[in-house]
Amino acid sequence: EAEVAQSPRYKITEKSQAVAFWCDPISGHATLYWYRQILGQGPELLVQFQDESVVDDSQLPKDRFSAERLKGVDSTLKIQPAELGDSAMYLCASSTSGYSVGANVLTFGAGSRLTVL
Amino acid sequence: ELKVEQNPLFLSMQEGKNYTIYCNYSTTSDRLYWYRQDPGKSLESLFVLLSNGAVKQEGRLMASLDTKARLSTLHITAAVHDLSATYFCAVALDSNYQLIWGAGTKLIIKP
Repeated sequence: EAEVAQSPRYKITEKSQAVAFWCDPISGHATLYWYRQILGQGPELLVQFQDESVVDDSQLPKDRFSAERLKGVDSTLKIQPAELGDSAMYLCASSTSGYSVGANVLTFGAGSRLTVL
Repeated sequence: ELKVEQNPLFLSMQEGKNYTIYCNYSTTSDRLYWYRQDPGKSLESLFVLLSNGAVKQEGRLMASLDTKARLSTLHITAAVHDLSATYFCAVALDSNYQLIWGAGTKLIIKP
C-alpha cells in the first residue's frame, strides 16, 4: 500500500538551531500539506501545495518557517531558528485533488516529532 | 469563519456499551471526514461523507451526515478496547475544499 514518507521521525534540537523535515507524498498526489499538531490538539495547517505552487500558507510563521516543493513531488519544511514553542508533531499529508469521490481524502505520513530544548 | 466543534472532547466508557460522538459545524459544507489517531501515531482516514443523509459503516463504527443541521455523528456500537483512540472530524470548505478540523474526541474504552 502506498505511503507518505517522512523523515526524521524524531528530532531533538536546541532553541535557535535550524531544523528541516522532509516529505515524499504518494505518487500522483498533486496536493501536499504540512500540518503541526501540538499534543492534545487537532492538526493545524501550516502550508498547502498544489503541485509546486503554494495554495495556502496563511498560518505559516514566515519569519522562521519556510516550505518548498520545487519539482512538485517531495517537500521540505524548515524552521530557523527553532523556538521552545515549536515542539510538536509535524505531519505531512497528500491527496488527489478535484471533485471525485476520493479526492481530498488525506493520507498522512507517520509524522516528525520535534522537541526543542 | 467556519468553526467545527466536537463533543464530547473526552469520553471514557466500558466495553460493550454504545455511544455517539458529535461534530457540529458553522457553515454550509457537503464534505465531512472522520479520522482516527492512536496515541503517538499519525492520522488514519475512517470515513468520507459527501452528501446529506450519507451513512457509512465499518465494523462497530457508523458515521452519518445531516447537512441541513450541519451535524455529523460517529456512533460506536458495543465498544471494544481496540477502538480507544482520538477521533477527529474535518469539514471541507465549499469554496476550496480546505479542511477545518475539530479539536478531537479522546475515547478510552475500558475492558
